[in-house]
Amino acid sequence: EDKVVQSPLSLVVHEGDTVTLNCSYEVTNFRSLLWYKQEKKAPTFLFMLTSSGIEKKSGRLSSILDKKELFSILNITATQTGDSAIYLCAVPSYNQGGKLIFGQGTELSVKP
Amino acid sequence: DAGVIQSPRHEVTEMGQEVTLRCKPISGHNSLFWYRQTMMRGLELLIYFNNNVPIDDSGMPEDRFSAKMPNASFSTLKIQPSEPRDSAVYFCASSFGENYGYTFGSGTRLTVV
Repeated sequence: EDKVVQSPLSLVVHEGDTVTLNCSYEVTNFRSLLWYKQEKKAPTFLFMLTSSGIEKKSGRLSSILDKKELFSILNITATQTGDSAIYLCAVPSYNQGGKLIFGQGTELSVKP
Repeated sequence: DAGVIQSPRHEVTEMGQEVTLRCKPISGHNSLFWYRQTMMRGLELLIYFNNNVPIDDSGMPEDRFSAKMPNASFSTLKIQPSEPRDSAVYFCASSFGENYGYTFGSGTRLTVV
């Protein structure tokens, strides 16, 4: 059965800290992995990763994929209180018609 | 682009009543997904459509839930009869083909009392 596992489930840091969120997956016919940020409303798209070793970057956020070890990390540098959210990792499962399989999410809380 | 539009934003209903949630996907997107989110279970896929055809409804909890997509620009998720355990945020998302940057709607927060 295809699955996505994120760690840690929750994390509390102080402003300015750097955090690394982890996502491991077991999916047949892997094609891509997606990261989302969810605050109080709908998940918003951050990154889509398809190739190993190529870092995607957006401001203080960056992400990289390792298709050999079947995981991805999301880094946030110089965290701010506005980064507080649930970060979701998801992988399309072609075993199950292409639907997104979500991890449990990592709840990040950034304290002033 | 108005994005994925869901209505209503909030719904409070009594147990036993019928509830209908609505979704308008992004124009041109050919896949539409209904998700349910709760604190206990996180995001769960209920059903998804491709080119208006239901592809996978294995996530639909039980017969009380049904979904339709009569055309490319509209879908409904119906719960009849509703129960308190159906209380959750229901998200609709759409995507186009291989571009799996799924776009989510704002969600409908359903409370069944």
